[in-house]
Amino acid sequence: AQSVTQLDSQVPVFEEAPVELRCNYSSSVSVYLFWYVQYPNQGLQLLLKYLSGSTLVKGINGFEAEFNKSQTSFHLRKPSVHISDTAEYFCAVISNTGFQKLVFGTGTRLLVSP
Amino acid sequence: EAGVTQSPTHLIKTRGQQATLRCSPISGHTSVYWYQQALGLGLQFLLWYDEGEERNRGNFPPRFSGRQFPNYSSELNVNALELEDSALYLCASSPLMEQFFGPGTRLTVL
Repeated sequence: AQSVTQLDSQVPVFEEAPVELRCNYSSSVSVYLFWYVQYPNQGLQLLLKYLSGSTLVKGINGFEAEFNKSQTSFHLRKPSVHISDTAEYFCAVISNTGFQKLVFGTGTRLLVSP
Repeated sequence: EAGVTQSPTHLIKTRGQQATLRCSPISGHTSVYWYQQALGLGLQFLLWYDEGEERNRGNFPPRFSGRQFPNYSSELNVNALELEDSALYLCASSPLMEQFFGPGTRLTVL
């Protein structure tokens, strides 16, 4: 079984500042990792994914994440945030042994203020 | 390319009634997943359909059921609605392991 921990429920940050949203996972098998964003009253949009290869993954809207196998982490970063980045961010994993369910973290609300 | 679509956008029911939610996957995707996003409970996996068969089921009672049609669209049925079934229900489709989500159906049980 897999589990995902997003330690920060809310991260306030000023516009144009850098941000890091933390994600740690636990799994007895290898996994694929994802970050999704949810804007108010909308579904989930895929930001980026790690399937294999380079541990630094670049996604949409200037976001990137680094997979660290030894620390079982997949932290999301952006060097300079915008007001429009205000949203809920979810880290998720899926076992690579079968195309099964996504297991989500509890989400981190990013609040960008001017 | 059209994304995942869900209908209706909003659904209001009373306790004990039945709700039917619909999902159309991205063209070419054979797998459909259903998730429940309830306040305070996060995103919970409900059901997975692939090629018309139920492949996996989350920890939900049997009154949550569904099916997948030959065109790969899917239906989620919730019988004997309870107040705690109020949530955003998200559908996702997938060609392999990456899942693409629809906008969701907000179900309110009064």
